[in-house]
Amino acid sequence: ETGVTQSPTHLIKTRGQQVTLRCSSQSGHNTVSWYQQALGQGPQFIFQYYREEENGRGNFPPRFSGLQFPNYSSELNVNALELDDSALYLCASSLGQAPYEQYFGPGTRLTVT
Amino acid sequence: KNEVEQSPQNLTAQEGEFITINCSYSVGISALHWLQQHPGGGIVSLFMLSSGKKKHGRLIATINIQEKHSSLHITASHPRDSAVYICAVSNTGNQFYFGTGTSLTVIP
Repeated sequence: ETGVTQSPTHLIKTRGQQVTLRCSSQSGHNTVSWYQQALGQGPQFIFQYYREEENGRGNFPPRFSGLQFPNYSSELNVNALELDDSALYLCASSLGQAPYEQYFGPGTRLTVT
Repeated sequence: KNEVEQSPQNLTAQEGEFITINCSYSVGISALHWLQQHPGGGIVSLFMLSSGKKKHGRLIATINIQEKHSSLHITASHPRDSAVYICAVSNTGNQFYFGTGTSLTVIP
């Protein structure tokens, strides 16, 4: 059984650019959630996808968008990057919508300069 | 005010001590999660609970729904328990709220 994987591991972008982060869910999981964790802070919930539909969203602007594919892998897209977008981005997959146990990926460290 | 508050923020203990981390929340929840995060970022789910008490090895988690409070206990603490422990809650609207974490250091 393959765990949750994320790519890339690290990424450096310039303010105003766009970025796509990828997440591969654990086998059999149809739900994925994305989180942003700034240095020294707890994670912040961005959104959740269940069977390719967004079904929960945190307090993030529309320039944060996502996709979930039929194989339940997922992308997080961020447009018009700002310096404050620098953070660790985590995805987590689960068997279904809350309340199921979440399995986290290792994260993508994004630095915006 | 955050929806999830944890205490203490930092905790240092001697090996073998009994440790308690507290979590209070202000929203209606479908479940409460205790997570462990090691340096480098990897997060592991320790417990998910919606009532009562759960135990895994030396770890015990309790929740009081009426008081909107949960505790994570570590018995016979060990240096390998050193990590950040995060409390998170999920609600029926598929929203997740996280505490800022408790940084635990266990000294040999």
